[in-house]
Amino acid sequence: DTGVSQNPRHKITKRGQNVTFRCDPISEHNRLYWYRQTLGQGPEFLTYFQNEAQLEKSRLLSDRFSAERPKGSFSTLEIQRTEQGDSAMYLCASSLTDRPYEQYFGPGTRLTVT
Amino acid sequence: AQSVTQLDSHVSVSEGTPVLLRCNYSSSYSPSLFWYVQHPNKGLQLLLKYTSAATLVKGINGFEAEFKKSETSFHLTKPSAHMSDAAEYFCVVTLPGYSSASKIIFGSGTRLSIRP
Repeated sequence: DTGVSQNPRHKITKRGQNVTFRCDPISEHNRLYWYRQTLGQGPEFLTYFQNEAQLEKSRLLSDRFSAERPKGSFSTLEIQRTEQGDSAMYLCASSLTDRPYEQYFGPGTRLTVT
Repeated sequence: AQSVTQLDSHVSVSEGTPVLLRCNYSSSYSPSLFWYVQHPNKGLQLLLKYTSAATLVKGINGFEAEFKKSETSFHLTKPSAHMSDAAEYFCVVTLPGYSSASKIIFGSGTRLSIRP
């Protein structure tokens, strides 16, 4: 399968703990995006990378959130000192640079903070 | 500013009957519009896109959508529903060009149920 993959698929953590999610995009895609989706809502943009450069961050991305794409391939999203409000589905997507709106999404990581 | 409104949070139709999922948008510019589908435990999949070419857009799995500027609508239709169409559908509006990924706005989604 050459689609976008995300790990883990589910994560349950206690409030205050740190968590890290991984996204492996489609290999030829230069752009990688992170979204957050809560129940009954559409995905909300968090941040995106052009190769290894993080070009844009949403105001939703608080200081507790950090994302990296060190070699321009896979990306990680870390949440420090998790809060119950962080419980959501975290989606990763990738695209070609010249087709930014044709994004291919991974299955998501569902985070539950207890 | 752009926004997108999906008028129905849930639509239920019988198998074999037509599907209509409604989407209205607001944009100060000529928008690009998309429909995505999300099946349970699967990633979002692009169904179809409108980017200022033909106003009637055909997508995968027999879906199509018509861009109506006068009504600021981009409704998704399918002539005959199949059980496998049961999923969440998202209408997306965005500015043309690629300068800002944050200008991708998802609607709140419409859950489509298919009755046998």
